[in-house]
Amino acid sequence: AQSVTQLDSQVPVFEEAPVELRCNYSSSVSVYLFWYVQYPNQGLQLLLKYLSGSTLVESINGFEAEFNKSQTSFHLRKPSVHISDTAEYFCAVSAPNAGGTSYGKLTFGQGTILTVHP
Amino acid sequence: DGGITQSPKYLFRKEGQNVTLSCEQNLNHDAMYWYRQDPGQGLRLIYYSQIVNDFQKGDIAEGYSVSREKKESFPLTVTSAQKNPTAFYLCASSIEPEIYGYTFGSGTRLTVV
Repeated sequence: AQSVTQLDSQVPVFEEAPVELRCNYSSSVSVYLFWYVQYPNQGLQLLLKYLSGSTLVESINGFEAEFNKSQTSFHLRKPSVHISDTAEYFCAVSAPNAGGTSYGKLTFGQGTILTVHP
Repeated sequence: DGGITQSPKYLFRKEGQNVTLSCEQNLNHDAMYWYRQDPGQGLRLIYYSQIVNDFQKGDIAEGYSVSREKKESFPLTVTSAQKNPTAFYLCASSIEPEIYGYTFGSGTRLTVV
């Protein structure tokens, strides 16, 4: 079975500083990887995903994540954060089921609360 | 617009009462999911359904029940057997989760007093 570990439960940064939110996964087979963002009292929104191809994927609001197969990581980065980026971020993985016949449920990490201070 | 709707947004119930949370989607997704979210614990899967009239237990199904009589609807009942029901509940749906991920509703915050 796969698992996801988000290494930091909380990350405080100042506005316009760079940030990295770390995510490691455990799976013996190929996986698909996702980052979601959750603003207070709302549902999760898909931020970006890695399916195949280029290991660097980008979102429309300046975030990027790099898939590193050898380190089984999918860290999320932004070179300059804004106050509006304050939210909780979840890393998730999709891997084949036990029979290897299909991909199914996503497994989520514990979440990282990003707080951007002025 | 297509989407997934959870209602109500806030719900208060007395201890010992059953309560049903609504989840409706018009995305024509086959699969639907219920998650519970508590501070510092991430998302924990309660139940999921990959097709109408079929559903499976997730990691924390005890004290909960679901039904899937229609493709669009996947209501969750929190029963009196659930020892600590106060939480934020999220419903999601998907068509091919490995490609598209999940679409989430905006959640229901349940408080049991």
